[in-house]
Amino acid sequence: QQPVQSPQAVILREGEDAVINCSSSKALYSVHWYRQKHGEAPVFLMILLKGGEQKGHEKISASFNEKKQQSSLYLTASQLSYSGTYFCGTQSKTSYDKVIFGPGTSLSVIP
Amino acid sequence: GAVVSQHPSRVICKSGTSVKIECRSLDFQATTMFWYRQFPKQSLMLMATSNEGSKATYEQGVEKDKFLINHASLTLSTLTVTSAHPEDSSFYICSARPPGALYNEQFFGPGTRLTVL
Repeated sequence: QQPVQSPQAVILREGEDAVINCSSSKALYSVHWYRQKHGEAPVFLMILLKGGEQKGHEKISASFNEKKQQSSLYLTASQLSYSGTYFCGTQSKTSYDKVIFGPGTSLSVIP
Repeated sequence: GAVVSQHPSRVICKSGTSVKIECRSLDFQATTMFWYRQFPKQSLMLMATSNEGSKATYEQGVEKDKFLINHASLTLSTLTVTSAHPEDSSFYICSARPPGALYNEQFFGPGTRLTVL
């Protein structure tokens, strides 16, 4: 079952922060985060495996609340290059061989 | 490392014809590759999981006779869209999982945009 992402879209000014949320109705083995720019393939950002785990990637970090079956992606001091669509992908504990992607969150950073 | 290529990047074909899309892992051997379809402004929908040397596993609702997948070697998987129709027009993306990928991370190819007239 597809995870749910919120918000659907967000517009930021350069330097502002944003949070993108991802939640699932299934018990999760892991959460993946990818960014896709228009017309291009998704690019892997990070994977979170353990409950409570937080990972960072430049000024982009994420957390994973295994109990709540949720993950959040944090973008701080956003840059123009952060624009794109962010997808979370989840692997459930019963079907961890495949990744099911959420509907995506469109992020636009403007000067 | 972990580079995945796709060919062609763009294809236009007539309704009723078949189209083959290739997915290659360039610097690693991939026992597992995945095929996704993405309609404009929508998410990536997993179509099938391709395992080298065995039959592909298709997701519910994906016609295996229409979308033929062959994973003949550790670096190549192909998707053939048979008897293509305009509703098959989409962005097809493959991904590959490097062996020993501890966390099941996937690396995506650049995608193939299929337009069926």
